Amino acid sequence: DIQMTQSPSSLSASVGDRVTITCQASQDISNYLNWYQQKPGKAPKLLIYDASNLETGVPSRFSGSGSGTDFTFTISSLQPEDIATYYCQQYDNLPSFTFGPGTKVDIK
Amino acid sequence: EVQLVQSGAEVKKPGESLKISCKGSGYSFTSYWIGWVRQMPGKGLEWMGIIYPGDSDTRYSPSFQGQVTISADKSISTAYLQWSSLKASDTAMYYCVRPYSPYYGSGYYFDYWGQGTLVTVSS
Repeated sequence: DIQMTQSPSSLSASVGDRVTITCQASQDISNYLNWYQQKPGKAPKLLIYDASNLETGVPSRFSGSGSGTDFTFTISSLQPEDIATYYCQQYDNLPSFTFGPGTKVDIK
Repeated sequence: EVQLVQSGAEVKKPGESLKISCKGSGYSFTSYWIGWVRQMPGKGLEWMGIIYPGDSDTRYSPSFQGQVTISADKSISTAYLQWSSLKASDTAMYYCVRPYSPYYGSGYYFDYWGQGTLVTVSS
């Protein structure tokens, strides 16, 4: 099974800061990497799919990059409404959809 | 508008059985996979399994194989997750999801999520 790691597990940043989260797969997953945002008490929401494609309606301050085993998720200018936990998720042949452990983002 | 609407919260005792549901609307229910994700209290997301309602092809995460049963009734566009004998460790929020692949050769992602069903198992 493919394992996913994320770092950091949590971070605090100021409004307007650039925030970067990394995700690493235990083996090559090409660009089959998605990012989700989960706000407290809510269902997760897709932000980025196939490593770098922004889901329709998602603000452009969110972006993703990477391929193979190493991926990066960036919020270019952190906003108060971005307080959430962010999860990466890999896809490797139906059915394998392993999630990373999550990164909790807070405002400093 | 695509919607996945789940059944309400449940409180059960250990050893009891349970079946929760997820009704899809706004799309062709038989043409897309539908699946389930578990989130234990204060923890991360775990993918459990998926079903293709068109032909009932069902696939489970190894972690959940034999622990739960996923089914679907295409006549009413509804997927189910069921347990035959609940344990306290089944206490969690369960989300139904729609795995989607935009074109042949691309990956899958969960583009729509249900609102979640909280299952509490306690004596």
